[in-house]
Amino acid sequence: SSELTQDPAMSVALGQTVRITCQGDSLRSYFASWYQQKPGQAPILVIYARNNRPSGIPDRFSGSSSGNTASLTIAGAQAEDEADYYCNSRDSSSNHLVFGGGTKLTVL
Amino acid sequence: QVQLQESGPGLVNPSQTLSLTCRVSGGSVSSNTYYWSWIRQPAGKGLECIGRIYTSGTTNYNPSLKSRVTISLDTSNNQFSLKLSSVTAADTAVYYCVRTYSSTWYDAFDIWGQGTMVTVSS
Repeated sequence: SSELTQDPAMSVALGQTVRITCQGDSLRSYFASWYQQKPGQAPILVIYARNNRPSGIPDRFSGSSSGNTASLTIAGAQAEDEADYYCNSRDSSSNHLVFGGGTKLTVL
Repeated sequence: QVQLQESGPGLVNPSQTLSLTCRVSGGSVSSNTYYWSWIRQPAGKGLECIGRIYTSGTTNYNPSLKSRVTISLDTSNNQFSLKLSSVTAADTAVYYCVRTYSSTWYDAFDIWGQGTMVTVSS
């Protein structure tokens, strides 16, 4: 299956830790990457290859995976972390790249 | 610093072909490190990968769009293009061109264009 499933919405209190998950069979074979998108802006890559951060991404962002589930953790969430978060992986049968449906994160 | 910029008509008639071009600056579409992808996002909805192309010309398309999509490279002008035929209102979206790193174990859309809004309407 090429589907990646994410919770549509989550919330976190300012300064607390939140884990956003992404589930799918493809994650047993491929690492997820994660993207942050703020309103009116293009997405940006925040985590790739399970737990690697591009230059400029704060170290409060981290990734992990187990079985068919990948996770993005934000430790000490800031107001500027309020955004939509998407995971992506690859469908092994078609080699096509797919996204999860996205998680809207609210920082309270 | 690599930058991508989409261009093309913002309005396309139903049943016609949507054509977009992505100009790459600060890097080369002939690089053997990256794929070059098109991704779209309808208003208020999630991201959908349309397809990608490698410097060799190898392409990979979304199975649900494959019959209507062509992605091509123009190495002389350092750009790549998207053609989507027989469009309907369902193809109305923001279209992004994106540099893509693909390895055996993961893929990463690491540099995005700003996106261009395309509306399908008569």
